[in-house]
Amino acid sequence: EIVLTQSPATLSLSPGERATLSCRASQSVSSYLAWYQQKPGQAPRLLIYDASNRATGIPARFSGSGSGTDFTLTISSLEPEDFAVYYCQQRSSWPRTFGQGTKLEIK
Amino acid sequence: QLVETGGGLIQPGGSLRLSCAASGFTVSANSMSWVRQAPGQGLEWVSIIYSGGNTHYADSVKGRFTISRDNSKNTLYLQMNSLRAEDTAVYYCARDYASQPGWFDPWGQGTLVTVSS
Repeated sequence: EIVLTQSPATLSLSPGERATLSCRASQSVSSYLAWYQQKPGQAPRLLIYDASNRATGIPARFSGSGSGTDFTLTISSLEPEDFAVYYCQQRSSWPRTFGQGTKLEIK
Repeated sequence: QLVETGGGLIQPGGSLRLSCAASGFTVSANSMSWVRQAPGQGLEWVSIIYSGGNTHYADSVKGRFTISRDNSKNTLYLQMNSLRAEDTAVYYCARDYASQPGWFDPWGQGTLVTVSS
């Protein structure tokens, strides 16, 4: 099973700042990595797939990069609605696995 | 749109069937998954059914859970048997994104399953 480790566990930033979230895989997942956003009481929403492709309707301030074992989700300038929990997920092998999440909170 | 139903309180060892009614697209033409989230915890993929009918399961539920669909009702199911306390979670159904199995979007609102005596 591929283990995805996200860091940091919690990130405290202010609106307008740049956020950088990390996801490291225990073995290569090529570019088969996605990022999801989850707000309290809501279902997750797909942001990025195949490491760097934005899903439909996702603002351009969200970008993804990386390949192999190291991946980054960057939010260029935080909006108030961006404060949430973010998960990475791989589809390179079975079982599909998620990271433990990074909570992005308002500083 | 995806709407899950069927959750509730069930005793350990019991069975429950979750339903996920889809609208706006055809369930059988897409791969569909179940993903769960224990209270206050992260996301755990549970099962997938491909458009062709092939299925996969997480080891934690293999042999106890069965994913299926009813094409006439455009509905996805998860039959859960021999339930354990550790199966307590919100269960989400999700469609593949842009016909790419393994990426999940959209998701339903979730249904809570509580396994407790």
